[in-house]
Amino acid sequence: DAKTTQPNSMESNEEEPVHLPCNHSTISGTDYIHWYRQLPSQGPEYVIHGLTSNVNNRMASLAIAEDRKSSTLILHRATLRDAAVYYCILRALRGSNYKLTFGKGTLLTVNP
Amino acid sequence: DAGITQSPRHKVTETGTPVTLRCHQTENHRYMYWYRQDPGHGLRLIHYSYGVKDTDKGEVSDGYSVSRSKTEDFLLTLESATSSQTSVYFCATSPGTSGQETQYFGPGTRLLVL
Repeated sequence: DAKTTQPNSMESNEEEPVHLPCNHSTISGTDYIHWYRQLPSQGPEYVIHGLTSNVNNRMASLAIAEDRKSSTLILHRATLRDAAVYYCILRALRGSNYKLTFGKGTLLTVNP
Repeated sequence: DAGITQSPRHKVTETGTPVTLRCHQTENHRYMYWYRQDPGHGLRLIHYSYGVKDTDKGEVSDGYSVSRSKTEDFLLTLESATSSQTSVYFCATSPGTSGQETQYFGPGTRLLVL
């Protein structure tokens, strides 16, 4: 499986935008980029995913580099509730596409 | 949110005893998964199921067995618990209609093996 690299931790202030980076230099052409987050003492929850184009939903935006070797999860206005571990995950289009391979993720701290 | 419940939510047991964790879903999802989460390792897949009576191993399946006799229930059994199986266990489900679909996670079960 292609590997992702994320910073161990990041810090933000409430109501400010947050950009969470993810490097995936060995991504294949059919790998989708998924983001999940895990709030304290909870199970992970889906945030967003994309293939090539930038994506937006009610939770966040996903910006994908033109060469697809990196991506950025954007939280437009961080709230205290956004404090969590954020995981960037690559999923193959076929084969073991059932599988989510979690790395260590980025621990986001949001300051009031 | 998918209706996923796990039971028990907390359990303390002794080495060598059998333990069964239950995952129950109300979404009629085809796929169900068991993960474990340990410090320094993130979440790792233990077993998964792609239908009633259809299961397969994940990356850390040794010491665990699973069963799925109904769509809504997926059981994880530790035949003889060991201290290395102390962990937080998460169940997840997905509809099973496409390859990139979301997985929905339950609240987790904290297991301590003494």
